[in-house]
Amino acid sequence: GNSVTQMEGPVTLSEEAFLTINCTYTATGYPSLFWYVQYPGEGLQLLLKATKADDKGSNKGFEATYRKETTSFHLEKGSVQVSDSAVYFCALMRATGTYKYIFGTGTRLKVLA
Amino acid sequence: EAQVTQNPRYLITVTGKKLTVTCSQNMNHEYMSWYRQDPGLGLRQIYYSMNVEVTDKGDVPEGYKVSRKEKRNFPLILESPSPNQTSLYFCASSTGLAGDTGELFFGEGSRLTVL
Repeated sequence: GNSVTQMEGPVTLSEEAFLTINCTYTATGYPSLFWYVQYPGEGLQLLLKATKADDKGSNKGFEATYRKETTSFHLEKGSVQVSDSAVYFCALMRATGTYKYIFGTGTRLKVLA
Repeated sequence: EAQVTQNPRYLITVTGKKLTVTCSQNMNHEYMSWYRQDPGLGLRQIYYSMNVEVTDKGDVPEGYKVSRKEKRNFPLILESPSPNQTSLYFCASSTGLAGDTGELFFGEGSRLTVL
């Protein structure tokens, strides 16, 4: 079946450090891939997305590349800020007749000043 | 402003007392869905709806009901809540159109405690 696996947190970094949060998936066919971010006390919001192999999604300095050969969609940012502290969810969507979303368990990021 | 609105945001109730969490979206979205978020388990889908009067079970539907009588509303009903339904609940919507990339728009969440 379809599944998403992401690295467990929490991840604690100093400001301006490089960030990688790993995400791998299993799915039949060609799902769309997403990263959502959840700030404290808020709902999830879309951070970036990619809809086909080798696509790179980017937003707010974050990037992730859809790697079909390794079934991965790792999230990266070159220099994190305190304001990036949040929970990050990797997700896939299969649109085969009905929409089916699968979320990872989330990775909490804490950035220290 | 485009948004998904849930109510109540916080609720403490007792076992067996029926409750409804409302969800409304103003984006004319076809697709709506409910999730619960629990520590270590991420988001799990409870029910979803592709359109008015069309609903289907997600991964954890036991103990929940939904209805979709109007396009904008998708209430979640707990007929007889139990403590294992204590969780953070999110409603989400999407255009649901063929070819769309499927971005979900989430409400702010409803934290439910069942004693």
